[in-house]
Amino acid sequence: SQTIHQWPATLVQPVGSPLSLECTVEGTSNPNLYWYRQAAGRGLQLLFYSVGIGQISSEVPQNLSASRPQDRQFILSSKKLLLSDSGFYLCAWNDLGGRTYNEQFFGPGTRLTVL
Amino acid sequence: DAKTTQPPSMDCAEGRAANLPCNHSTISGNEYVYWYRQIHSQGPQYIIHGLKNNETNEMASLIITEDRKSSTLILPHATLRDTAVYYCIVRVNYGGSQGNLIFGKGTKLSVKP
Repeated sequence: SQTIHQWPATLVQPVGSPLSLECTVEGTSNPNLYWYRQAAGRGLQLLFYSVGIGQISSEVPQNLSASRPQDRQFILSSKKLLLSDSGFYLCAWNDLGGRTYNEQFFGPGTRLTVL
Repeated sequence: DAKTTQPPSMDCAEGRAANLPCNHSTISGNEYVYWYRQIHSQGPQYIIHGLKNNETNEMASLIITEDRKSSTLILPHATLRDTAVYYCIVRVNYGGSQGNLIFGKGTKLSVKP
């Protein structure tokens, strides 16, 4: 069966510090991968998605970036965090062309607080 | 921007049916209606989806109007564990950015004992 992991679960970082959040998927190959952010009291915002290694599409311009160095690994980064980067970050996957395409499966999330 | 409109909140008594409405008056012919829910501090969970026929699974039923401009998600016997934010989303069923999920603010359903 497929599983999705995110770490860390919680993170407190000072303004201006770098960020690296990691997401890995097990039990599938060549998945679509997604990063979402949910700010306090707001809906989910799609940040990045990837259909393959090295292929990243950005939905919202900002000081965040994403990379996909391996098939089932998706990384969200920032060189300098802003206060507005605080939120709940969710990674998700689905399988284009497979029976799971109708669903996106979400990870447990990382709660980031920037002080 | 989300292509759907939902009431911000609803209450439902435990054991009763919860009927969550959604308006999607600009839906295109190739767009499906999807429902997800998000329990507090967890990732969203897929519930059901449909194109124009009513659908039912072990979690819920989806009723889509004949003109497809609105739909209703029905939880037949709501429990306290169904308390969550419910998102109605329209999307095409193929790849590319058009197939991405665009979440609105959803409806916060509170099931009360």
